[in-house]
Amino acid sequence: GENVEQHPSTLSVQEGDSAVIKCTYSDSASNYFPWYKQELGKRPQLIIDIRSNVGEKKDQRIAVTLNKTAKHFSLHITETQPEDSAVYFCAASMGGTSYGKLTFGQGTILTVHP
Amino acid sequence: NAGVTQTPKFRVLKTGQSMTLLCAQDMNHEYMYWYRQDPGMGLRLIHYSVGEGTTAKGEVPDGYNVSRLKKQNFLLGLESAAPSQTSVYFCASRWGVTGELFFGEGSRLTVL
Repeated sequence: GENVEQHPSTLSVQEGDSAVIKCTYSDSASNYFPWYKQELGKRPQLIIDIRSNVGEKKDQRIAVTLNKTAKHFSLHITETQPEDSAVYFCAASMGGTSYGKLTFGQGTILTVHP
Repeated sequence: NAGVTQTPKFRVLKTGQSMTLLCAQDMNHEYMYWYRQDPGMGLRLIHYSVGEGTTAKGEVPDGYNVSRLKKQNFLLGLESAAPSQTSVYFCASRWGVTGELFFGEGSRLTVL
């Protein structure tokens, strides 16, 4: 089955700096790549996603890039703020052929220091 | 509109006891999933359902059973709880095979 590796496991930045989280996936048939943010004690929530026919997607201060050849994708957060502190999960799915099952990475604990 | 609701939110069990976690969604979603979350391991899929009356195994199904007798409900059962099943359990649902996965608030289970 699909395997998703996520790095780093922890990331500490100063407010205003950029943060980058990287993920690799194993199955070239994967075609949908979402990112979820989970604040302490809360449920995961979708922040951005990308499909395999797109190389980059932006939404205000966050962006995701996808390299299908290398089978890796990354989350970029610019101008970080303390409220960005959370655990971030990447995930991969083969869409319809896998009934929408998501395989998640191990998570990255992002801490933004004021 | 409550979204995805899980009950109970907290439970402590003794080894060998059984229990059922209930997930209810009011968004008319076809797809429902049960995940467990453990430190450093992300979210791992236990079982899932692609519609009323269907269930299938995920990545870590051993020791769990599920049922989806009604479209809005997805039940996760532990027949004989073990300490290794101490975890936070999340139910999730969505309408199609891609797009936002809506999670419940989570159920924290401790098995002594």
